[in-house]
Amino acid sequence: DQQVKQNSPSLSVQEGRISILNCDYTNSMFDYFLWYKKYPAEGPTFLISISSIKDKNEDGRFTVFLNKSAKHLSLHIVPSQPGDSAVYFCAAGSSNTGKLIFGQGTTLQVKP
Amino acid sequence: GAGVSQSPSNKVTEKGKDVELRCDPISGHTALYWYRQSLGQGLEFLIYFQGNSAPDKSGLPSDRFSAERTGGSVSTLTIQRTQQEDSAVYLCASSLEGTFGIQYFGAGTRLSVL
Repeated sequence: DQQVKQNSPSLSVQEGRISILNCDYTNSMFDYFLWYKKYPAEGPTFLISISSIKDKNEDGRFTVFLNKSAKHLSLHIVPSQPGDSAVYFCAAGSSNTGKLIFGQGTTLQVKP
Repeated sequence: GAGVSQSPSNKVTEKGKDVELRCDPISGHTALYWYRQSLGQGLEFLIYFQGNSAPDKSGLPSDRFSAERTGGSVSTLTIQRTQQEDSAVYLCASSLEGTFGIQYFGAGTRLSVL
């Protein structure tokens, strides 16, 4: 029972263009959502989050969009840089439980 | 160091042996989590400690897995009678209570069961 799904295992974009990473969830009890970035041999690093009362949150080059009716969120990176090449995980949580459920991850490659 | 520290970074063991993995969370963080990442998979939740509350063990895959957190700080994940399918990277994370899910991860322990 995969409550959080990232259906694209990989994505390749050109430097300077937009990267769009997608995530779908099934549990309507989730009320906050996060994106993490992971480099090889390192732990995931928090990138950006959004609560269910918002539909957009922006931090520099990173913007997360939440569509509650579709149970879908996306991460936009503009402009993409080679240093953004990493595995990106979306995660969802419920403030009732305090724990996160992670997706399978999407490997982003930004080509110079 | 200010971050989450895990040891050992790598562990190779023989099938049937017991292993202990250690996690030192960020000082002052009341919540501590263990996850597992098998090859090509996402992060699988294992167990969650929050302050003095009973831990949420709902993610532990079998009774061979257990974890404890002593004094509200350091945690140890123990796997008894290891199997080859236990081979994975075990990640620990900690967070401040009430920070709505922002967890800070260690670099993980890569466990290989031969």
